[in-house]
Amino acid sequence: EVQLVESGGGLVKPGGSLRLSCAASGFTFNSHNMNWVRQAPGKGLEWVSSISSSSTYIYDADSVKGRFTISRDNTKNSLYLQMNSLRVEDTAVYYCARGEGLTTATPIDYWGQGTLVTVSA
Amino acid sequence: DIQMTQSPSSLSASVGDRVTITCRASQTISTYLNWYLQKPGKAPKLLIYAASNLQSGVPSRFSGSGSGTDFTLTISSLQPEDFATYYCQQSYSTPLTFGGGTKVEIK
Repeated sequence: EVQLVESGGGLVKPGGSLRLSCAASGFTFNSHNMNWVRQAPGKGLEWVSSISSSSTYIYDADSVKGRFTISRDNTKNSLYLQMNSLRVEDTAVYYCARGEGLTTATPIDYWGQGTLVTVSA
Repeated sequence: DIQMTQSPSSLSASVGDRVTITCRASQTISTYLNWYLQKPGKAPKLLIYAASNLQSGVPSRFSGSGSGTDFTLTISSLQPEDFATYYCQQSYSTPLTFGGGTKVEIK
Protein backbone atom coordinates (compact mmCIF):
# COMPACT_ATOMS: atom_id res chain seq x y z
CA GLU A 1 0.00 0.00 0.00
CA VAL A 2 1.35 3.41 -0.98
CA GLN A 3 1.81 5.66 2.02
CA LEU A 4 3.02 9.25 2.20
CA VAL A 5 3.37 10.72 5.67
CA GLU A 6 4.24 14.38 6.08
CA SER A 7 5.75 15.96 9.16
CA GLY A 8 7.36 19.22 10.21
CA GLY A 9 4.46 21.62 9.99
CA GLY A 10 3.65 24.11 12.71
CA LEU A 11 3.43 27.75 13.70
CA VAL A 12 6.22 30.06 12.58
CA LYS A 13 6.67 33.82 12.53
CA PRO A 14 6.96 35.75 9.27
CA GLY A 15 10.52 35.56 8.00
CA GLY A 16 11.10 32.26 9.75
CA SER A 17 11.96 28.83 8.38
CA LEU A 18 10.53 25.34 8.46
CA ARG A 19 11.54 22.03 6.94
CA LEU A 20 8.83 19.63 5.89
CA SER A 21 9.52 15.94 5.48
CA CYS A 22 7.58 13.20 3.74
CA ALA A 23 8.24 9.54 4.45
CA ALA A 24 7.25 7.31 1.55
CA SER A 25 6.55 3.59 1.63
CA GLY A 26 4.81 0.87 -0.34
CA PHE A 27 6.37 1.68 -3.71
CA THR A 28 9.71 2.09 -5.47
CA PHE A 29 10.43 5.66 -4.44
CA ASN A 30 13.25 6.29 -6.94
CA SER A 31 10.94 5.50 -9.86
CA HIS A 32 8.62 8.44 -9.32
CA ASN A 33 8.75 12.20 -9.51
CA MET A 34 7.50 13.83 -6.33
CA ASN A 35 5.63 17.03 -5.62
CA TRP A 36 4.54 19.43 -2.94
CA VAL A 37 1.07 20.91 -3.35
CA ARG A 38 -0.50 23.32 -0.88
CA GLN A 39 -3.97 24.48 0.00
CA ALA A 40 -4.61 27.70 1.89
CA PRO A 41 -7.56 27.61 4.32
CA GLY A 42 -10.81 27.54 2.36
CA LYS A 43 -9.00 27.86 -0.97
CA GLY A 44 -8.10 25.64 -3.91
CA LEU A 45 -5.04 23.58 -4.70
CA GLU A 46 -1.74 25.24 -5.59
CA TRP A 47 1.26 23.38 -6.94
CA VAL A 48 4.46 24.36 -5.12
CA SER A 49 7.38 22.30 -6.37
CA SER A 50 8.37 19.11 -8.20
CA ILE A 51 11.50 17.00 -8.30
CA SER A 52 12.32 14.25 -10.77
CA SER A 53 13.12 10.71 -9.69
CA SER A 54 16.89 11.22 -9.61
CA SER A 55 16.75 14.91 -8.60
CA THR A 56 17.98 15.96 -12.04
CA TYR A 57 15.05 18.26 -12.68
CA ILE A 58 13.51 20.63 -10.16
CA TYR A 59 10.64 22.99 -10.80
CA ASP A 60 9.21 25.63 -8.49
CA ALA A 61 6.20 27.90 -8.54
CA ASP A 62 7.09 31.56 -8.97
CA SER A 63 5.45 32.28 -5.62
CA VAL A 64 8.11 30.26 -3.78
CA LYS A 65 11.11 30.53 -6.07
CA GLY A 66 14.23 31.55 -4.20
CA ARG A 67 12.61 30.84 -0.83
CA PHE A 68 11.64 27.14 -0.91
CA THR A 69 13.88 24.23 -1.86
CA ILE A 70 12.63 20.75 -2.68
CA SER A 71 14.95 17.79 -2.26
CA ARG A 72 14.81 14.04 -1.86
CA ASP A 73 16.89 11.24 -0.44
CA ASN A 74 16.22 8.04 -2.36
CA THR A 75 18.24 6.02 0.16
CA LYS A 76 15.77 7.05 2.85
CA ASN A 77 12.61 7.12 0.69
CA SER A 78 12.07 10.68 1.79
CA LEU A 79 11.02 13.99 0.27
CA TYR A 80 11.75 17.37 1.81
CA LEU A 81 10.72 20.99 1.49
CA GLN A 82 12.97 23.60 3.06
CA MET A 83 10.94 26.77 3.48
CA ASN A 84 12.76 30.02 4.23
CA SER A 85 11.61 33.64 4.45
CA LEU A 86 8.10 32.49 5.19
CA ARG A 87 5.23 34.87 4.58
CA VAL A 88 1.71 35.04 5.97
CA GLU A 89 0.42 33.99 2.55
CA ASP A 90 2.36 30.70 2.80
CA THR A 91 -0.11 29.56 5.44
CA ALA A 92 -1.61 26.34 4.09
CA VAL A 93 -1.87 22.60 4.36
CA TYR A 94 1.11 21.18 2.49
CA TYR A 95 0.62 17.86 0.73
CA CYS A 96 3.36 15.48 -0.33
CA ALA A 97 2.17 13.95 -3.60
CA ARG A 98 3.52 11.21 -5.86
CA GLY A 99 3.71 11.60 -9.59
CA GLU A 100 2.64 8.51 -11.45
CA GLY A 101 5.82 8.42 -13.53
CA LEU A 102 9.31 9.79 -13.86
CA THR A 103 8.32 13.27 -15.05
CA THR A 104 5.86 16.01 -14.16
CA ALA A 105 3.88 15.14 -17.30
CA THR A 106 2.19 12.35 -15.37
CA PRO A 107 -0.77 12.65 -13.00
CA ILE A 108 -0.41 12.96 -9.25
CA ASP A 109 -1.77 9.60 -8.17
CA TYR A 110 -1.21 9.51 -4.41
CA TRP A 111 -1.35 12.20 -1.76
CA GLY A 112 -0.32 12.33 1.87
CA GLN A 113 -2.69 13.50 4.58
CA GLY A 114 -1.08 16.94 4.66
CA THR A 115 0.71 19.01 7.29
CA LEU A 116 -0.44 22.47 8.34
CA VAL A 117 1.95 25.39 8.17
CA THR A 118 0.78 28.57 9.85
CA VAL A 119 2.76 31.77 9.41
CA SER A 120 1.68 34.38 11.89
CA ALA A 121 3.18 36.95 14.21
CA ASP B 1 1.54 29.81 -17.43
CA ILE B 2 -1.48 27.75 -18.44
CA GLN B 3 -4.67 28.92 -16.75
CA MET B 4 -7.35 26.35 -15.97
CA THR B 5 -10.92 27.58 -15.72
CA GLN B 6 -13.62 25.35 -14.26
CA SER B 7 -17.33 25.86 -14.48
CA PRO B 8 -19.55 26.02 -12.65
CA SER B 9 -17.81 26.94 -9.40
CA SER B 10 -20.62 25.22 -7.52
CA LEU B 11 -23.76 23.28 -8.26
CA SER B 12 -26.63 21.69 -6.40
CA ALA B 13 -27.84 18.27 -7.49
CA SER B 14 -29.83 15.33 -6.24
CA VAL B 15 -28.84 11.71 -5.83
CA GLY B 16 -29.25 10.01 -9.20
CA ASP B 17 -28.70 13.17 -11.24
CA ARG B 18 -26.29 13.33 -14.16
CA VAL B 19 -23.67 15.98 -13.43
CA THR B 20 -21.25 17.61 -15.86
CA ILE B 21 -18.30 19.81 -14.95
CA THR B 22 -16.22 21.59 -17.55
CA CYS B 23 -12.60 22.68 -17.54
CA ARG B 24 -10.98 24.96 -20.10
CA ALA B 25 -7.26 25.48 -20.59
CA SER B 26 -5.85 28.81 -21.73
CA GLN B 27 -3.78 26.99 -24.37
CA THR B 28 -3.76 23.55 -25.87
CA ILE B 29 -2.68 20.79 -23.50
CA SER B 30 -3.44 17.76 -25.69
CA THR B 31 -4.88 15.24 -23.19
CA TYR B 32 -2.62 16.14 -20.26
CA LEU B 33 -5.65 16.75 -18.07
CA ASN B 34 -6.45 15.11 -14.75
CA TRP B 35 -9.47 15.24 -12.44
CA TYR B 36 -9.44 15.00 -8.66
CA LEU B 37 -12.10 14.77 -5.98
CA GLN B 38 -11.59 16.26 -2.53
CA LYS B 39 -13.79 15.87 0.52
CA PRO B 40 -13.59 18.31 3.43
CA GLY B 41 -10.51 17.78 5.57
CA LYS B 42 -9.16 15.08 3.28
CA ALA B 43 -6.46 14.85 0.64
CA PRO B 44 -7.45 14.96 -3.02
CA LYS B 45 -8.00 11.69 -4.84
CA LEU B 46 -7.23 11.03 -8.50
CA LEU B 47 -10.34 10.13 -10.51
CA ILE B 48 -9.44 10.54 -14.18
CA TYR B 49 -6.04 10.88 -15.84
CA ALA B 50 -5.03 11.78 -19.37
CA ALA B 51 -8.47 13.27 -19.93
CA SER B 52 -10.45 10.06 -20.21
CA ASN B 53 -8.75 7.24 -18.31
CA LEU B 54 -10.42 5.99 -15.15
CA GLN B 55 -8.02 5.57 -12.24
CA SER B 56 -8.00 2.09 -10.76
CA GLY B 57 -10.73 1.63 -8.16
CA VAL B 58 -12.81 4.60 -9.28
CA PRO B 59 -16.46 3.77 -10.02
CA SER B 60 -17.48 3.63 -13.67
CA ARG B 61 -20.13 6.33 -13.17
CA PHE B 62 -17.24 8.78 -13.51
CA SER B 63 -16.02 9.57 -17.01
CA GLY B 64 -13.89 12.19 -18.68
CA SER B 65 -13.61 13.51 -22.20
CA GLY B 66 -11.96 16.22 -24.25
CA SER B 67 -8.66 17.23 -25.77
CA GLY B 68 -6.88 20.42 -26.68
CA THR B 69 -8.44 23.10 -24.50
CA ASP B 70 -11.90 21.83 -23.52
CA PHE B 71 -12.58 18.99 -21.12
CA THR B 72 -15.54 17.48 -19.30
CA LEU B 73 -16.01 15.37 -16.19
CA THR B 74 -19.33 13.55 -16.05
CA ILE B 75 -20.93 11.68 -13.18
CA SER B 76 -23.67 9.58 -14.73
CA SER B 77 -25.71 9.02 -11.57
CA LEU B 78 -24.70 11.06 -8.54
CA GLN B 79 -24.26 9.08 -5.34
CA PRO B 80 -24.21 10.39 -1.74
CA GLU B 81 -20.46 9.87 -1.49
CA ASP B 82 -19.87 12.05 -4.57
CA PHE B 83 -20.75 15.30 -2.84
CA ALA B 84 -17.36 16.97 -2.75
CA THR B 85 -15.18 19.47 -4.56
CA TYR B 86 -13.74 18.54 -7.95
CA TYR B 87 -10.55 19.95 -9.46
CA CYS B 88 -9.04 19.69 -12.90
CA GLN B 89 -5.26 19.93 -13.34
CA GLN B 90 -2.99 20.16 -16.35
CA SER B 91 0.26 18.19 -16.43
CA TYR B 92 1.31 19.45 -19.87
CA SER B 93 3.91 21.87 -18.57
CA THR B 94 5.21 23.49 -15.42
CA PRO B 95 4.00 25.31 -13.51
CA LEU B 96 1.42 22.61 -12.97
CA THR B 97 -1.91 24.37 -12.55
CA PHE B 98 -5.29 23.49 -11.10
CA GLY B 99 -8.73 24.77 -11.84
CA GLY B 100 -10.49 26.73 -9.13
CA GLY B 101 -12.69 23.80 -8.16
CA THR B 102 -16.35 22.86 -8.47
CA LYS B 103 -18.25 22.20 -5.28
CA VAL B 104 -21.05 19.68 -5.73
CA GLU B 105 -23.69 20.09 -3.04
CA ILE B 106 -26.87 18.28 -2.15
CA LYS B 107 -30.05 19.85 -3.47
